[in-house]
Amino acid sequence: ETGVTQSPTHLIKTRGQQVTLRCSSQSGHNTVSWYQQALGQGPQFIFQYYREEENGRGNFPPRFSGLQFPNYSSELNVNALELDDSALYLCASSLAWQNTEAFFGQGTRLTVV
Amino acid sequence: QQQVKQSPQSLIVQKGGISIINCAYENTAFDYFPWYQQFPGKGPALLIAIRPDVSEKKEGRFTISFNKSAKQFSLHIMDSQPGDSATYFCAASRYITGNQFYFGTGTSLTVIP
Repeated sequence: ETGVTQSPTHLIKTRGQQVTLRCSSQSGHNTVSWYQQALGQGPQFIFQYYREEENGRGNFPPRFSGLQFPNYSSELNVNALELDDSALYLCASSLAWQNTEAFFGQGTRLTVV
Repeated sequence: QQQVKQSPQSLIVQKGGISIINCAYENTAFDYFPWYQQFPGKGPALLIAIRPDVSEKKEGRFTISFNKSAKQFSLHIMDSQPGDSATYFCAASRYITGNQFYFGTGTSLTVIP
């Protein structure tokens, strides 16, 4: 186990609703990245937080937003859910934002109906 | 646009055989190339990584071969075992953007006993 925990593990939402996913980073890690993994695809980078500030963003619309807290845990918020948002959402933590090993959680499976 | 292209999509290998997965990238600014292993229901786990200043890196049964001029890198799994059956992802990132990875589409490896 990596020490990165995500909650909930599974979630079903209706189109148009809002969702919040949570991630507890590994002890001592100050950087959290979020990825979306569609079925049968590789993870796609959503954004990264370093010491509570957004430190990079992928090609995702503004309805995907995030937060990082003083204890370095993080939230991913998605507004106005669309059917295509159905995916496995992964968070990864690392000691620093540079190219150090990233430890992934087990993910949250979001289904939008 | 897929920044990292991965092949094959699936691979079946006999126990004891060699598994080879290939990746190609376009962005010459990439300078960190990890391979991740993912089992069903789990997040990706770092297997091995390489930087472009070396052409090969070996860790146990796993070897990365890197060809900077061709912008290609590959994972070789020697003496493949049924426990290696998983999905493998190559990825790439730039030091300046930290561990914000571009992932390939994944290779589903099945090792037959």
